[in-house]
Amino acid sequence: DAKTTQPPSMDCAEGRAANLPCNHSTISGNEYVYWYRQIHSQGPQYIIHGLKNNETNEMASLIITEDRKSSTLILPHATLRDTAVYYCIAPSNYQLIWGAGTKLIIKP
Amino acid sequence: DAGVIQSPRHEVTEMGQEVTLRCKPISGHDYLFWYRQTMMRGLELLIYFNNNVPIDDSGMPEDRFSAKMPNASFSTLKIQPSEPRDSAVYFCASSLGWNTEAFFGQGTRLTVV
Repeated sequence: DAKTTQPPSMDCAEGRAANLPCNHSTISGNEYVYWYRQIHSQGPQYIIHGLKNNETNEMASLIITEDRKSSTLILPHATLRDTAVYYCIAPSNYQLIWGAGTKLIIKP
Repeated sequence: DAGVIQSPRHEVTEMGQEVTLRCKPISGHDYLFWYRQTMMRGLELLIYFNNNVPIDDSGMPEDRFSAKMPNASFSTLKIQPSEPRDSAVYFCASSLGWNTEAFFGQGTRLTVV
């Protein structure tokens, strides 16, 4: 099963780009990388996912390294409402393992 | 669609009592997941269903926990008898496929005293 590792916490200034790294060195060729976030006391919210190519949507961009061993979620212009725990997961073999995530704090 | 709907939002019960948590997935979604979240253990997958059939219940902590999905629009997670260590937030989520984005409900905060 692909296990992911993320830093436990990060700070970012409001209006700046927030770059959240994730290591998934054991990921196999057909496993997607998913990003979710959880704002305090709410259910996790889907952000973006990718396989090999970089992806962008209205919420964020996802940069996946060529060897697929790591990825970075980019929030281009962070706001205070982006303060949350961000989870990077790689579902595999019908296993869904959620790590502790990264607690991102956006500071004014 | 109103999204995934869970009830109740909060439940306080005494140890030994039966607790039933309810979930209505998004219409048309074939997969339904039950999660438990605690500070100590984070987010844990308990069980998931595909087309109303339980596929993997290896995350269910013990026989006191059971889950059913009698039809495509309703699922329950039951704890009998409940214990203080079952106190947690329980989330239900649904998705179109295994490897597609999951939509989570607002959760049920269970407190067993």
